[in-house]
Amino acid sequence: DQQVKQNSPSLSVQEGRISILNCDYTNSMFDYFLWYKKYPAEGPTFLISISSIKDKNEDGRFTVFLNKSAKHLSLHIVPSQPGDSAVYFCAAKKYGNKLVFGAGTILRVKS
Amino acid sequence: NAGVTQTPKFQVLKTGQSMTLQCAQDMNHNSMYWYRQDPGMGLRLIYYSASEGTTDKGEVPNGYNVSRLNKREFSLRLESAAPSQTSVYFCASSEVGVYSGNTIYFGEGSWLTVV
Repeated sequence: DQQVKQNSPSLSVQEGRISILNCDYTNSMFDYFLWYKKYPAEGPTFLISISSIKDKNEDGRFTVFLNKSAKHLSLHIVPSQPGDSAVYFCAAKKYGNKLVFGAGTILRVKS
Repeated sequence: NAGVTQTPKFQVLKTGQSMTLQCAQDMNHNSMYWYRQDPGMGLRLIYYSASEGTTDKGEVPNGYNVSRLNKREFSLRLESAAPSQTSVYFCASSEVGVYSGNTIYFGEGSWLTVV
């Protein structure tokens, strides 16, 4: 039973355009959401997060939007750069530090 | 700044062999984790240790054992390796806390192939 779903295995975007990565979740008890970025042969690294009491969080080129009624969050990258090409994992957690991860979306930014 | 260090980075095992993946963190974190990453499955939690002296099962614990040796070290043991355990394994650590915005920090991964 996948509680966190990333339905797009891959996404290709032109450099300078917006990248939108989507994530859906089923458990209404999740109270914190995170995005991780992973390059080949490296461990995932934290990118941005959002608490369930907010609907938007920005950090430079990265913005995460949370729609609790739809149980949906998205990561926007503007403008996209070739160095953003990586696998992006959506993750969610309940009280405590155990995270539930989605399957990941491969982002390719073409120059 | 080592962060989370895991060894070995690559290992090939024969079915039925045993091995231990080692993990150490230097961030004075209380919680440590072992995940496996498989294509199309994302990262799945095998075992975790909320604090020194405690361990708990995650989503996919079967075929694995863990030891929280001290605050810094958390090892993962495969007692009798099976081809289904071919995967990339990630150790991670985090501070204890809920709303402090803390995150989980990952090691670079260990590629394990069971033939």
